[in-house]
Amino acid sequence: SQTIHQWPATLVQPVGSPLSLECTVEGTSNPNLYWYRQAAGRGLQLLFYSVGIGQISSEVPQNLSASRPQDRQFILSSKKLLLSDSGFYLCAWSKAGARYEQYFGPGTRLTVT
Amino acid sequence: AQSVTQPDIHITVSEGASLELRCNYSYGATPYLFWYVQSPGQGLQLLLKYFSGDTLVQGIKGFEAEFKRSQSSFNLRKPSVHWSDAAEYFCAVGSFGNEKLTFGTGTRLTIIP
Repeated sequence: SQTIHQWPATLVQPVGSPLSLECTVEGTSNPNLYWYRQAAGRGLQLLFYSVGIGQISSEVPQNLSASRPQDRQFILSSKKLLLSDSGFYLCAWSKAGARYEQYFGPGTRLTVT
Repeated sequence: AQSVTQPDIHITVSEGASLELRCNYSYGATPYLFWYVQSPGQGLQLLLKYFSGDTLVQGIKGFEAEFKRSQSSFNLRKPSVHWSDAAEYFCAVGSFGNEKLTFGTGTRLTIIP
């Protein structure tokens, strides 16, 4: 069976510091991968998605970036965090060509102080 | 472009009572429809999905949803709610050839004794 991992689970970072959140998927190959952000009391905002290694699509211009160095690894980064980057970050995966139902990781709670 | 509307931000239901959460979508062709549930501080869990065929679909935890093309709706139902059903519920729509899902803004469900 497939599993998706995210770490860290929680993170408190000062404004202006860098960020690296990691997501890995096990039990499948060539998945589509997604990064979402969920602000307090808000819905899901798609930030990035990837259909293959090195292929990243950005949905919202911002100071975040994403990379996919390996087939089942998806990384969300920032060089300098803003207060507005606080939120709950969710990684998800779907099978390529399988109608795109998505399966979510446990999330990372980021607080920028 | 596809879109999803969840008109109810917050619903309160007594334990043991029936539940219906509304979801309306906008998409020209046959959509792929999903309901997800999110407990506080957790990732999203897929409750059920509709791709084609029987318009009444059964999901996990005793939930069901009915696809009504004429009303562009995919409402989630449960005949008798349990306190553990308290959570945020998201409706989502996808389509063939589109790697992305569009999520509604969510409905928060509160269960009272």
